[in-house]
Amino acid sequence: AQSVTQLGSHVSVSEGALVLLRCNYSSSVPPYLFWYVQYPNQGLQLLLKYTSAATLVKGINGFEAEFKKSETSFHLTKPSAHMSDAAEYFCAVSRGGADGLTFGKGTHLIIQP
Amino acid sequence: EPEVTQTPSHQVTQMGQEVILRCVPISNHLYFYWYRQILGQKVEFLVSFYNNEISEKSEIFDDQFSVERPDGSNFTLKIRSTKLEDSAMYFCASSVPTGQAYNEQFFGPGTRLTVL
Repeated sequence: AQSVTQLGSHVSVSEGALVLLRCNYSSSVPPYLFWYVQYPNQGLQLLLKYTSAATLVKGINGFEAEFKKSETSFHLTKPSAHMSDAAEYFCAVSRGGADGLTFGKGTHLIIQP
Repeated sequence: EPEVTQTPSHQVTQMGQEVILRCVPISNHLYFYWYRQILGQKVEFLVSFYNNEISEKSEIFDDQFSVERPDGSNFTLKIRSTKLEDSAMYFCASSVPTGQAYNEQFFGPGTRLTVL
């Protein structure tokens, strides 16, 4: 069985500050890991994915995440927050192939001006 | 850029009624999925579909649910007799098998189902 834990249902940062969204996973097999972003009234957009290549993964909009097997973590970071980053962020895990994604509960990112 | 589309964007129904949610996956994709998101909760996997049959389903996907690919373009989710707790956002997704271990899933914008 797989599971994802996202620490912090809400994270607030100032514009220009570092963004850190935490994700820990549990998986019985080597996982594939993802971060999705959801803007209000929109669907899920893939930010980045870890598929067993490089442990440091770069995504869209300046986001990146590092896979740390020893810590079972896949935290999302961005050096400098922008107002347009305000959204809901979901971490997800998959066993691969056509397996359904298992999502975390999401973190609502708030950007303070 | 190709995208997954879903209709309607919002569906209101009475408890006990049947609803059909429609999705048009990306044209060359072969794996299809349904997920739901109850308001304020996480996105939950319902079912995956490949080669005209269900590949995998979660415990949420009980006998009240069914999926179908009635033609070459549509993928539908039917809820036979809706309950209040079926109120949620339903997302369709699709992916294409690439021979790799992982196939990226592309999501539609969702259908918000409200059961009264």
